[in-house]
Amino acid sequence: EAGVAQSPRYKIIEKRQSVAFWCNPISGHATLYWYQQILGQGPKLLIQFQNNGVVDDSQLPKDRFSAERLKGVDSTLKIQPAKLEDSAVYLCASSLDLAGGYTFGSGTRLTVV
Amino acid sequence: QKEVEQDPGPLSVPEGAIVSLNCTYSNSAFQYFMWYRQYSRKGPELLMYTYSSGNKEDGRFTAQVDKSSKYISLFIRDSQPSDSATYLCAMTGNTPLVFGKGTRLSVIA
Repeated sequence: EAGVAQSPRYKIIEKRQSVAFWCNPISGHATLYWYQQILGQGPKLLIQFQNNGVVDDSQLPKDRFSAERLKGVDSTLKIQPAKLEDSAVYLCASSLDLAGGYTFGSGTRLTVV
Repeated sequence: QKEVEQDPGPLSVPEGAIVSLNCTYSNSAFQYFMWYRQYSRKGPELLMYTYSSGNKEDGRFTAQVDKSSKYISLFIRDSQPSDSATYLCAMTGNTPLVFGKGTRLSVIA
């Protein structure tokens, strides 16, 4: 079974620039999550999708972050404009359903300078 | 008070030692408890999955949940250098997983 694919692996941008991350979940997994992991911290949920609908985006900073899940499969997370405190690893995870165990991708490491 | 508290360590033990990792939580609605292992520059991978209170064993790993004390533990027997990683506890009550900070473990050969 192929895992959760994320790209790019690394990204360095200047503050106030924009950036986008891409995630391809495990085939057939209806639920997709984006988590932010700051160095030395545990992952923190940004947004949860069930198929192509948003289930929970209460912790997404909507003034600068946006996310979509195209046709209930791939997803993109965008930051515009980026701030220094957005430097983190952005993890995508998927699960079969809302109660299933999650499979994580390797993440995108973002550095904002 | 954070929903999930986990001592970040770091924890350094000799090869062969028994390791004990712990988390406490405050949300009584949590019913599913997990331990994830995260190697450097990798995503977390699911190690143990437990529903409600009790013990679960898988090889050298044992997960314990005490819902009355809101306390969960992961024990690693005969620890190996390959166990060196960050261990994250995570829990849910049919909401997205809430993670602890993670404990960084080093097993020294």
